[in-house]
Amino acid sequence: GQNIDQPTEMTATEGAIVQINCTYQTSGFNGLFWYQQHAGEAPTFLSYNVLDGLEEKGRFSSFLSRSKGYSYLLLKELQMKDSASYLCGGRNQGGKLIFGQGTELSVKP
Amino acid sequence: GAVVSQHPSRVICKSGTSVKIECRSLDFQATTMFWYRQFPKQSLMLMATSNEGSKATYEQGVEKDKFLINHASLTLSTLTVTSAHPEDSSFYICSAISGGTTDTQYFGPGTRLTVL
Repeated sequence: GQNIDQPTEMTATEGAIVQINCTYQTSGFNGLFWYQQHAGEAPTFLSYNVLDGLEEKGRFSSFLSRSKGYSYLLLKELQMKDSASYLCGGRNQGGKLIFGQGTELSVKP
Repeated sequence: GAVVSQHPSRVICKSGTSVKIECRSLDFQATTMFWYRQFPKQSLMLMATSNEGSKATYEQGVEKDKFLINHASLTLSTLTVTSAHPEDSSFYICSAISGGTTDTQYFGPGTRLTVL
């Protein structure tokens, strides 16, 4: 089966670093995605990890450990515009992208 | 990244009517398109997967006769909500991939459906 868990909400301060964790239990798992979604808008692609390790893209980094069924999204130098929902999603062997419940991040001044 | 469009962006209809939502991949051919539904403050729930020229496969609990999906070409998929009711009010989002299962999935801007 497939089960993707992430915290419901987090709060952080502008300029700080925040780590959003995601754990999953899924059979035939084939890569993990992170998307950002602002309220009322479609999700936008942030990162895709298929191999273990850390991938860095500017202020955003994503990490995957397949043996532990664990991933995290790291956001550095937080800006107010980073306030959004962050969706962790796994693609199964059937090619379907299934999401966790999303983490609502609030960045405070 | 690739562009996926949806039309309309917002629709309000009366209970009992049918609503069609179009999803288009603008700069690539989408072998597979997905339809998601999102209720307020909840995550995206996959409704169905459609492949060009074949019948859509629906997730458990999604009524195929109520949510009709047609993937007529490699750039167009449509979702028709038949006999809509207020509980069908939601944010409907389509997404598309161009190739294999490792391809990035691009999302459309979504359609806000309100059924009165």
